[in-house]
Amino acid sequence: DTGVSQDPRHKITKRGQNVTFRCDPISEHNRLYWYRQTLGQGPEFLTYFQNEAQLEKSRLLSDRFSAERPKGSFSTLEIQRTEQGDSAMYLCASSYVDRGGSGANVLTFGAGSRLTVL
Amino acid sequence: QKEVEQDPGPLSVPEGAIVSLNCTYSNSAFQYFMWYRQYSRKGPELLMYTYSSGNKEDGRFTAQVDKSSKYISLFIRDSQPSDSATYLCAMSANTGGFKTIFGAGTRLFVKA
Repeated sequence: DTGVSQDPRHKITKRGQNVTFRCDPISEHNRLYWYRQTLGQGPEFLTYFQNEAQLEKSRLLSDRFSAERPKGSFSTLEIQRTEQGDSAMYLCASSYVDRGGSGANVLTFGAGSRLTVL
Repeated sequence: QKEVEQDPGPLSVPEGAIVSLNCTYSNSAFQYFMWYRQYSRKGPELLMYTYSSGNKEDGRFTAQVDKSSKYISLFIRDSQPSDSATYLCAMSANTGGFKTIFGAGTRLFVKA
């Protein structure tokens, strides 16, 4: 297992275009998270999945953003009608949480997908 | 007010110095306290985590949690140039979906 993979690593697009990012988590992990990170800031939570179910979405996730995790494997994050304010690093992380919900939820991050909106 | 406050720095120290990084938080429900390290253009990687209050040591790194003061610290002994990175504190609770909340990160430079 090579860890969490994200693709593409860098995307440059024009305002108004749609973009899609893909995340392949660690195969044994049942939770998948998307975060956004801007320069000089820590990662901000966007959404997370438990297997294929999307269980929570942040207020930051406007209706232009949609995330999916079909069959509980890889996930995609789509941004429609991109705006310059969407320029950021989009980080994917995965973790394993047992049924009892005990233990620390240790996140393993991918290298991120950097979005530049012109 | 943010749930987690962290001084962004930058913090510049000479090689061999002891580094102290810290965060404060407001949500008393947080039970797990983590430190991540992030190199430029990379994703964060976990350094260590602590459950509830107390200390934890791992090599040159020591994490401290004081829940009564809502204050956590990371100490780095004998700092090395390879420790130059951004250090992110992070916290989560067992409720609310294990959502992990991050601080803004402190940029550390260790000069040879």
